[in-house]
Amino acid sequence: QKEVEQNSGPLSVPEGAIASLNCTYSDRGSQSFFWYRQYSGKSPELIMFIYSNGDKEDGRFTAQLNKASQYVSLLIRDSQPSDSATYLCAVNKAYSSASKIIFGSGTRLSIRP
Amino acid sequence: DTAVSQTPKYLVTQMGNDKSIKCEQNLGHDTMYWYKQDSKKFLKIMFSYNNKELIINETVPNRFSPKSPDKAHLNLHINSLELGDSAVYFCASSRGQGAMRSEAFFGQGTRLTVV
Repeated sequence: QKEVEQNSGPLSVPEGAIASLNCTYSDRGSQSFFWYRQYSGKSPELIMFIYSNGDKEDGRFTAQLNKASQYVSLLIRDSQPSDSATYLCAVNKAYSSASKIIFGSGTRLSIRP
Repeated sequence: DTAVSQTPKYLVTQMGNDKSIKCEQNLGHDTMYWYKQDSKKFLKIMFSYNNKELIINETVPNRFSPKSPDKAHLNLHINSLELGDSAVYFCASSRGQGAMRSEAFFGQGTRLTVV
């Protein structure tokens, strides 16, 4: 079982609709959860982080965390063509005094005009 | 000011050569990483250092040797390069485990092509 699992996609969503991205993780001791966006040929950039169960909203983005189900999701409202990218779910596993940030394989999102 | 910078951005070299990639962060972070991203975009952790000390070595071949002269620098030296080493290598840094915000900040990546 992979430590962080995502559906690789591609996920195609019409412009203006809601894009829903999902992620599961295996280590119950994981502390922090992140969503990164990566455009082709660029480095990953953080778009959301969440530590507590529930929802966290930032503009058009909402991250949802359910630690009991070991599940993290990202909702993108009013999807724009510029949202087309690969979205990486990441988990910070508890590891001694250091961080160990593990990534899923990413979901390719395509917003069609 | 660039927060995490790595050089070079592109590296093309022949099989069997030895090469190095340098990384520096000016964020004051305690933890630095090397990740490898293959053609399928999977970002796999290779090494993690905390305050110059190796914490994580994810079953990487001995040909890869990281070196951290201080907590702001983490370089990666690769001996006897193989075709399968071709990938994009990302350096990243983060605060330590106890920090409230512990996300990774990435450098711009080094695209290594072994021919």
